[in-house]
Amino acid sequence: EPEVTQTPSHQVTQMGQEVILRCVPISNHLYFYWYRQILGQKVEFLVSFYNNEISEKSEIFDDQFSVERPDGSNFTLKIRSTKLEDSAMYFCASSRGQGSTGELFFGEGSRLTVL
Amino acid sequence: QKEVEQNSGPLSVPEGAIASLNCTYSDRGSQSFFWYRQYSGKSPELIMSIYSNGDKEDGRFTAQLNKASQYVSLLIRDSQPSDSATYLCAVNVREYGNKLVFGAGTILRVKS
Repeated sequence: EPEVTQTPSHQVTQMGQEVILRCVPISNHLYFYWYRQILGQKVEFLVSFYNNEISEKSEIFDDQFSVERPDGSNFTLKIRSTKLEDSAMYFCASSRGQGSTGELFFGEGSRLTVL
Repeated sequence: QKEVEQNSGPLSVPEGAIASLNCTYSDRGSQSFFWYRQYSGKSPELIMSIYSNGDKEDGRFTAQLNKASQYVSLLIRDSQPSDSATYLCAVNVREYGNKLVFGAGTILRVKS
């Protein structure tokens, strides 16, 4: 069964460092997303991406965050200068379409720890 | 602010019983509704999607939607200890596009 894959599974970084989280969405999916979940809290929307551009972003997704689809398979989330409060599990997701084809499938997540 | 509310639980049911999980949402224009299962430390796993009023069954799972009452529920029949997890209700708050708003989840414990 096709799945969303994410790397790394866990990254520890110092505050102020740049981090890149990588995702390979399901191959025939056209819509890509990043969500995050701080320990013990809700899953929160960060950004959606379609046709090589951001469709929507949340208030969390400020200038420190960026997304890119550098080639035909990878989808990346970059955090330019990490803060302690960026420590969370980051989930990549993809969907085939919208509406009734808009079921999101999530990767296993990348746990980011900022020290 | 578009909200999705769930009882945090834990909801404890004996093995073989029916577990009933509930969710309400605030955005009356929402069209797509999802139930995800999340084991501790793992990612959300899609269980059911529902788009129209009424019931939708898939194996031991039944999702129920009532748009007038802004209410979604998930029934798990013949509950198994492996069903013990946090169940997340998610609502797509966009008519065009996909933006899921998640509830905080209900912890389900199935006791053998």
